[in-house]
Amino acid sequence: QVQLKESGPGLVQPSQTLSLTCTVSGFSLTSYNVHWVRQPPGKGLEWMGRMRYNGDTSYNSALKSRLSISRDTSKNQVFLKMNSLQTDDTGTYYCTRVGYWGQGTLVTVSS
Amino acid sequence: DVVMTQTPVSLSVSLGGQTSISCRSSQSLVHSDGNTYLYWYLQKPGQSPQLLIYKVSNRFSGVPDRFSGSGSGTDFTLKISRVEPEDLGVYYCYQGTHYPNTFGAGTKLELK
Repeated sequence: QVQLKESGPGLVQPSQTLSLTCTVSGFSLTSYNVHWVRQPPGKGLEWMGRMRYNGDTSYNSALKSRLSISRDTSKNQVFLKMNSLQTDDTGTYYCTRVGYWGQGTLVTVSS
Repeated sequence: DVVMTQTPVSLSVSLGGQTSISCRSSQSLVHSDGNTYLYWYLQKPGQSPQLLIYKVSNRFSGVPDRFSGSGSGTDFTLKISRVEPEDLGVYYCYQGTHYPNTFGAGTKLELK
């Protein structure tokens, strides 16, 4: 069945870089788009960016200068890297495909 | 960027009752391929969002027919009939037509 699972550090220091991995199963990254979405504590959902099935990427305008999404199709993984983290980047980060979401991973930005 | 305006911010409903949520986009969500990529999600407390409706009016697998979506262009509605306890949570509309994709701010459904 279709599954997505996020992994990465739970704690990141301010000004450092966040690296997250989304490992998928049950479908091919060359057939479906995978998106990253985040949610600050107690707030709404924010679309961050997308890895298209053909390898193209799109980014949230507000995050574009700090964000990079890549993939390794042989490992069924999509990667998110975001630099210059600040405290308001704290939240739960999800990877998602239409109809399916990972469990999310909580990232706290704190010294 | 396309702004998705959801109303109301919160709703209070009785079990077994009916309610609706509105979502308006700042520009048409009709894609050049003819599809309208408007989705509705429900996020229950402590859970990941779950897809209810895709492309305006199509129920996702396993979603009961108490949920229905309608609309076109810039104006969309999610209707929930015969509200059950498991329907409570925050509902989000989401557009996948234009990049960057965007979510509405959410509508919290509570019990009266």
